[in-house]
Amino acid sequence: QVTLRESGPALVKPTQTLTLTCTFSGFSLSTSGMCVSWVRQPPGKALEWLALIDWDDDKYYSTSLKTRLTISKDTSKNQVVLTMTNMDPVDTATYYCARTRVAMVRGVIVGNWFDPWGQGTLVTVSS
Amino acid sequence: SYVLTQPPSVSVAPGQTARITCGGNNIGSKSVHWYQQKPGQAPVLVVYDDSDRPSGIPERFSGSNSGNTATLTISRVEAGDEADYYCQVWDSSSDQVVFGGGTKLTVL
Repeated sequence: QVTLRESGPALVKPTQTLTLTCTFSGFSLSTSGMCVSWVRQPPGKALEWLALIDWDDDKYYSTSLKTRLTISKDTSKNQVVLTMTNMDPVDTATYYCARTRVAMVRGVIVGNWFDPWGQGTLVTVSS
Repeated sequence: SYVLTQPPSVSVAPGQTARITCGGNNIGSKSVHWYQQKPGQAPVLVVYDDSDRPSGIPERFSGSNSGNTATLTISRVEAGDEADYYCQVWDSSSDQVVFGGGTKLTVL
């Protein structure tokens, strides 16, 4: 059974750095084709993809947030960490991590999907 | 950047068929995935690779993709299908995951 769980602060102040940890079980991030992604959802709004890290430690970031995001993995601990700098109230959202499966053609990602997702963690940015 | 367009809402009576569309430029050339999200819960994958169902997802959920439109079809709709539905693709030209804006399915 694959499970993921997000952890981190529920409240951060503007300009601070957010660090979130995704702890997972039931799969290994060293297995070819396995990835973990972060997705967020502001209250009442749509899903927004943030970042993806794959089994080979390749990293992909949302173009609009790339300068603020860092994703990393600790395969031995089955954890993926996301940091987001310079937090702002508009970053208030539920943050999800999800196992990500990819379809590859000649070493290039041509598709991916998220299954399953963690329960999510609500992060509020306020002074 | 690649954009996916979904209708904000779709309404259907119980037992009828709901069709939720996802529009994008030449989306038929991409693999489309669909998620169901009920209030207060995390999203759940219901269709991947245009038309495949993960284990545990009822056969009532099906998908298709051609031209500029992908469609999630829910047959014999039940009250428990009421949720937000999101389509998603990978845009290989920019190495970005793209989500649609979501569609709220209301069961009348």
